[in-house]
Amino acid sequence: EVQLVQSGAEVKKPGESLKISCKGSGYSFTSYWIGWVRQMPGKGLEWMGIIYPGDSDTRYSPSFQGQVTISADKSISTAYLQWSSLKASDTAMYYCARNGNWLGYFQHWGQGTLVTVSS
Amino acid sequence: DIQMTQSPSSLSASVGDRVTITCQASQDISNYLNWYQQKPGKAPKLLIYDASNLETGVPSRFSGSGSGTDFTFTISSLQPEDIATYYCQQYDNLHGGTFGQGTKLEIK
Repeated sequence: EVQLVQSGAEVKKPGESLKISCKGSGYSFTSYWIGWVRQMPGKGLEWMGIIYPGDSDTRYSPSFQGQVTISADKSISTAYLQWSSLKASDTAMYYCARNGNWLGYFQHWGQGTLVTVSS
Repeated sequence: DIQMTQSPSSLSASVGDRVTITCQASQDISNYLNWYQQKPGKAPKLLIYDASNLETGVPSRFSGSGSGTDFTFTISSLQPEDIATYYCQQYDNLHGGTFGQGTKLEIK
């Protein structure tokens, strides 16, 4: 069974750094893309970016390029989403998700990680 | 960027009704269009991929159609458990992915 297990909720202050994780199991981690999706409180889904752990090929939405860093450690089947300096507007639920037959859609989803940024 | 215009933003229907949601792309995306269901407090769930392919395990009352710029998602007979928000999503190699604004479906 494919599973994506995300790290727990975080409460941070503006300006702090943060790295959240998504651990894949039940499939070949290096053979599928993993992406990240943001959902701000009460709002819709936003596609952030995607990484292929096999060769670390990474693609970002123009809206998120330079704002976050997506990475993966294939030795522990884990993908990451990272901020160097958080803003209050980064407060959101973040989902990781794995693609299906091609990188164009997300077939399996993590449970989400709630990030709250507040002074 | 490719913009996705999803409509309506909200919809109220009765159990047993046929429900239709549309999604329009700002340029030709072939059949690279997917549909997801999200229930409150839950992660999204894939229903339809590549415009018309039903994901394994998804009830056959859900269907999708379209190609190019215009796409349709249909629930043939609305059930109480279908209450959720539905999103379309496209992907292109140049700009990545984009979700539609979502359609909140309620029971009348």
